[in-house]
Amino acid sequence: EAQVTQNPRYLITVTGKKLTVTCSQNMNHEYMSWYRQDPGLGLRQIYYSMNVEVTDKGDVPEGYKVSRKEKRNFPLILESPSPNQTSLYFCASSFGQGRRSGAGEEKLFFGSGTQLSVL
Amino acid sequence: GQNIDQPTEMTATEGAIVQINCTYQTSGFNGLFWYQQHAGEAPTFLSYNVLDGLEEKGRFSSFLSRSKGYSYLLLKELQMKDSASYLCAVRAPMEYGNKLVFGAGTILRVKS
Repeated sequence: EAQVTQNPRYLITVTGKKLTVTCSQNMNHEYMSWYRQDPGLGLRQIYYSMNVEVTDKGDVPEGYKVSRKEKRNFPLILESPSPNQTSLYFCASSFGQGRRSGAGEEKLFFGSGTQLSVL
Repeated sequence: GQNIDQPTEMTATEGAIVQINCTYQTSGFNGLFWYQQHAGEAPTFLSYNVLDGLEEKGRFSSFLSRSKGYSYLLLKELQMKDSASYLCAVRAPMEYGNKLVFGAGTILRVKS
C-alpha cells in the first residue's frame, strides 16, 4: 500500500531532551516536507527536501534539523525541544514540486501525524 | 510574501450546497490546492487549479480567478461525512522557492 509512515503517533517529552520523529515513504517520491499545525495558524512548513541530500528551510525552521540521506526517509530532529514546539507535526511527500506538470505530481501525501508535547 | 484568508467556520445542512471561499495575496502564483482534513487525521488532496475556471470532480468543484486572487470550493449534496476542515493552499513560483503556503482552514459542520 502506497503510504507515508510517520512515527511515533504521540510523544511526550521534557525540555532539552533530544528527539527524532521518523518519516518514510514507499512511493519513490522526490519531494518531502515537514509541517507543524497549530490552532488558528494552519500548516506551516518547517523544512523541505527536493531530493536526496538537498534540504532547505521552510517558514519556521528554528529549533529543527532534518536530513535526507536516502530517498525514502526524512527524519525531523529536535536537538533541544522547548515548550513552544508543542504541536501536531505532519510529514508529506510528492513526486515533485513546481514543475508545472499539474496536480498529479504535486499533490501531497501526508503521514498520519505526530502529536508532540514538550513539558 | 503570501497571505491566505478563509472563513474560520461554516455550518450547512445535509443535502445542501456550500461554498467555501479563499482569497490570497501573493508575490506570485503557481497553483492553488484544496485539501480536506477530518479531525485528528491527515489532510487529503481534493483539487488543484492553476488556470482560471471551474474544475469539477464528482460532488466537489473548485473555481479559480487569478486576477481577483480568489478561489472557492463547492460541495454539493452535502453528507455528514463532509464535516471536516478544508484547507486552501497556494504555491509560490520557482523564484520564490516553490513554497506551498496553507491557509488556517475552514471548519465545516454538516447538520442533519
